Amino acid sequence: AQSVSQHNHHVILSEAASLELGCNYSYGGTVNLFWYVQYPGQHLQLLLKYFSGDPLVKGIKGFEAEFIKSKFSFNLRKPSVQWSDTAEYFCAVGRYSSASKIIFGSGTRLSIRP
Amino acid sequence: NAGVTQTPKFQVLKTGQSMTLQCAQDMNHEYMSWYRQDPGMGLRLIHYSVGAGITDQGEVPNGYNVSRSTTEDFPLRLLSAAPSQTSVYFCASSGASGNTGELFFGEGSRLTVL
Repeated sequence: AQSVSQHNHHVILSEAASLELGCNYSYGGTVNLFWYVQYPGQHLQLLLKYFSGDPLVKGIKGFEAEFIKSKFSFNLRKPSVQWSDTAEYFCAVGRYSSASKIIFGSGTRLSIRP
Repeated sequence: NAGVTQTPKFQVLKTGQSMTLQCAQDMNHEYMSWYRQDPGMGLRLIHYSVGAGITDQGEVPNGYNVSRSTTEDFPLRLLSAAPSQTSVYFCASSGASGNTGELFFGEGSRLTVL
């Protein structure tokens, strides 16, 4: 069965600081990997996704993530955060070639000090 | 284009009452799922469906029933509500074409069980 671990529960940064949120997954097969974002009071939106090919994927709003297969990791990065990035971020994993059973991590709350 | 529509947005129940959370999507997606979101626990998969007439259990299925009689609709039933089911519920759908796996979320239903 798939599982996802997000090690940082709450991260507090100042504007312009660099961001890296950790995500590790457990699954024996080939995976699809996702980062979703939930802004306060809103539902989840896709930030970026990895299915195959280049392990460095770029998403919206300057976010990127790197898939490291040997470490079962898919960490999210942004070189310079803005106050508007305050949100909760969720890593998720699904089985490759399947639209089924996408499992989420527990989320990381990101607070940006203006 | 409505996307994924959930009703009701808010509901208060007494312990032991039953209710159905409705979910409809107009994107002809094969895959639909229900998650619950609780503080510090991220999103946990309750039930999912890969097509009409097919449903399966997720991570936390106890206390919930689902059915999928049409492609568009995927209702979630609570037969006898318990305070532990107080949560925010999200319905999500995904199309299998192109192996995207990307989930499209509804706006959520906040349920309180007294």
